Amino acid sequence: SQQGEEDPQALSIQEGENATMNCSYKTSINNLQWYRQNSGRGLVHLILIRSNEREKHSGRLRVTLDTSKKSSSLLITASRAADTASYFCATNKETSGSRLTFGEGTQLTVNP
Amino acid sequence: ETGVTQTPRHLVMGMTNKKSLKCEQHLGHNAMYWYKQSAKKPLELMFVYNFKEQTENNSVPSRFSPECPNSSHLFLHLHTLQPEDSALYLCASSQLGLAGAEQFFGPGTRLTVL
Repeated sequence: SQQGEEDPQALSIQEGENATMNCSYKTSINNLQWYRQNSGRGLVHLILIRSNEREKHSGRLRVTLDTSKKSSSLLITASRAADTASYFCATNKETSGSRLTFGEGTQLTVNP
Repeated sequence: ETGVTQTPRHLVMGMTNKKSLKCEQHLGHNAMYWYKQSAKKPLELMFVYNFKEQTENNSVPSRFSPECPNSSHLFLHLHTLQPEDSALYLCASSQLGLAGAEQFFGPGTRLTVL
């Protein structure tokens, strides 16, 4: 499996529900980032969590990082139809400078 | 998507054509990237430029030729492409010196090779 692997691959929920997406990785990291991509568009940075942080919040987003398990989760609370998009985690490894390694993404569909 | 622009947004080309993709960043960043995004595959990093110098080439075929004339502009020259090169090509930029800083992406060029 690849560095930065998201789970599940696809998630469908109703508006107002919470959405949780998980990401696993294999090597030591400087930080882990989550990005969002609307269909056929560029990626938008959502949140960055450093290896010495365990939890971070931004609006309706909550990200956790467990370096012992090499995993992260992205929680979107009170989801909206406009949250429908693909969500990617990306890891910055300690030895890779500015390079990011992306996972395959989770396709989130929020039904109105 | 503001801050990094890409042109054209859509491109259809034959296998014998030569075309170029253009990326421009207005963020004052000093690192720029080309990614390829194919259906059902993770983003593939193609090239990295730091301070206009290419620092990474991820085993990309020579039919893709990058050019970075200055820290704000990045080109991807295309020639004799194959149908499997059809994909969304994304440009991104970031600020070096901030380890693993976030990357800002352009809207992408949707390339179709006939």
